[in-house]
Amino acid sequence: GQQVMQIPQYQHVQEGEDFTTYCNSSTTLSNIQWYKQRPGGHPVFLIQLVKSGEVKKQKRLTFQFGEAKKNSSLHITATQTTDVGTYFCACYPHWRGGSNYKLTFGKGTLLTVNP
Amino acid sequence: DTEVTQTPKHLVMGMTNKKSLKCEQHMGHRAMYWYKQKAKKPPELMFVYSYEKLSINESVPSRFSPECPNSSLLNLHLHALQPEDSALYLCASSRQQGAGETQYFGPGTRLLVL
Repeated sequence: GQQVMQIPQYQHVQEGEDFTTYCNSSTTLSNIQWYKQRPGGHPVFLIQLVKSGEVKKQKRLTFQFGEAKKNSSLHITATQTTDVGTYFCACYPHWRGGSNYKLTFGKGTLLTVNP
Repeated sequence: DTEVTQTPKHLVMGMTNKKSLKCEQHMGHRAMYWYKQKAKKPPELMFVYSYEKLSINESVPSRFSPECPNSSLLNLHLHALQPEDSALYLCASSRQQGAGETQYFGPGTRLLVL
C-alpha cells in the first residue's frame, strides 16, 4: 500500500530555532495532509497540499509539496514552546476510481522545544 | 461546530469484560472512522463507515465490533480484549470517504486492558 517515510523521528530545538520535517514517497501522491498532535492530545488537521510545487504558509509554518508530488516538508520558523508535539504527514493513494480511500500516516516527527 | 466527541475519556477493563466506545459528530459528515494509536506511533486505521455502511475493515480481530446506528453516531464494541489492545482509540469523521477529505479527530478514549 501507499507509504510515506517521514524524517526525522525526533527533533529537539532551542526556542527560536527553526525546525523542518520531511515526508517522502516512492510513488506519486494525489495530495498530502499535515496533522499536529500535542502530547496527550489528538491529531489536528493543519493543511492539505494538492498541486505540484505548492507552497502554503500559516504564520510561522511553511508547507511545501514537491514538483514530482513525491515529497513534502513542513518548516517552522523561530519555534515556540507552543509548537511542541508530533507532526504527521498523511496521504491518500493515487488512483482513480474505487471507494477504498484511506488516509495513511507517516511515522511522525516529535518536536520538543527547550525554552 | 467542528467537534467530534468521544466517551468515555478513559476506560479500564478486564479481559472478560464487554464495553463500548462511543463517538458522535454533528457536522453532517457521512464518513466515520476508528483508529488505534499506540504510544509514539501514528494512528492505525481500523474501520471506515461510509453512509452508515462498513466500507473498510483493516483485518481487525473480531473482538472489536463496530456499529454505526445513524449518520451521527459510531460505536466500537469491545469483548474479550487482550492487554496488547491497550491504546488510544480515536474516532474521526469527514464529509465523505474520498481522497483529499480532511478528517476531524475526536479526543480519543484511552483504553487499558488488564
